[in-house]
Amino acid sequence: GIQVEQSPPDLILQEGANSTLRCNFSDSVNNLQWFHQNPWGQLINLFYIPSGTKQNGRLSATTVATERYSLLYISSSQTTDSGVYFCAVHDRNYGGSQGNLIFGKGTKLSVKP
Amino acid sequence: EADIYQTPRYLVIGTGKKITLECSQTMGHDKMYWYQQDPGMELHLIHYSYGVNSTEKGDLSSESTVSRIRTEHFPLTLESARPSHTSQYLCASSSTGRRLTFGSGTRLTVV
Repeated sequence: GIQVEQSPPDLILQEGANSTLRCNFSDSVNNLQWFHQNPWGQLINLFYIPSGTKQNGRLSATTVATERYSLLYISSSQTTDSGVYFCAVHDRNYGGSQGNLIFGKGTKLSVKP
Repeated sequence: EADIYQTPRYLVIGTGKKITLECSQTMGHDKMYWYQQDPGMELHLIHYSYGVNSTEKGDLSSESTVSRIRTEHFPLTLESARPSHTSQYLCASSSTGRRLTFGSGTRLTVV
């Protein structure tokens, strides 16, 4: 199956700093999503981005499908950005006839005031 | 507002008890999933469903069972809870080509 690797595993930032999180995957995909899990365990879908670039406020994401990676940019970080960021890609060979999402192990971000 | 709901939010229960974790979505999604996760750690797919009367086991061996009698409802049942079942259980739903949406999760503690 597809391998999904996220880096860095841990990241500590001062409030106001910018950061880039990376997601590498081992095969071509037609579905890539980024999630944020807050300290209370809630998972929020940030982007559905199989290719190209999208922006939502201080967050943006770019997926270069031909080179098998995606980047999540956080600008002017805030303490509320703390948590774990997961990327997930669709593997048509993972589980059932339609395949399922494979999640990376996540990047744990801590933003200090 | 379309959403996905999980109840209860927290549950502490004794060993050997039977429990059912509820999950409902109002988005009309055909696909629904159950994940098990220790907070901040990897997500493990334990069950999924592509539609009514369709359920499959995921990659993590689980002693739980699921049912999908209605499109919007995907409950998970543990016949006999054990301390090893202590974890967070996350329900999610999607449709083909759409983003995956998670519920708020159920934090289960078996004592």
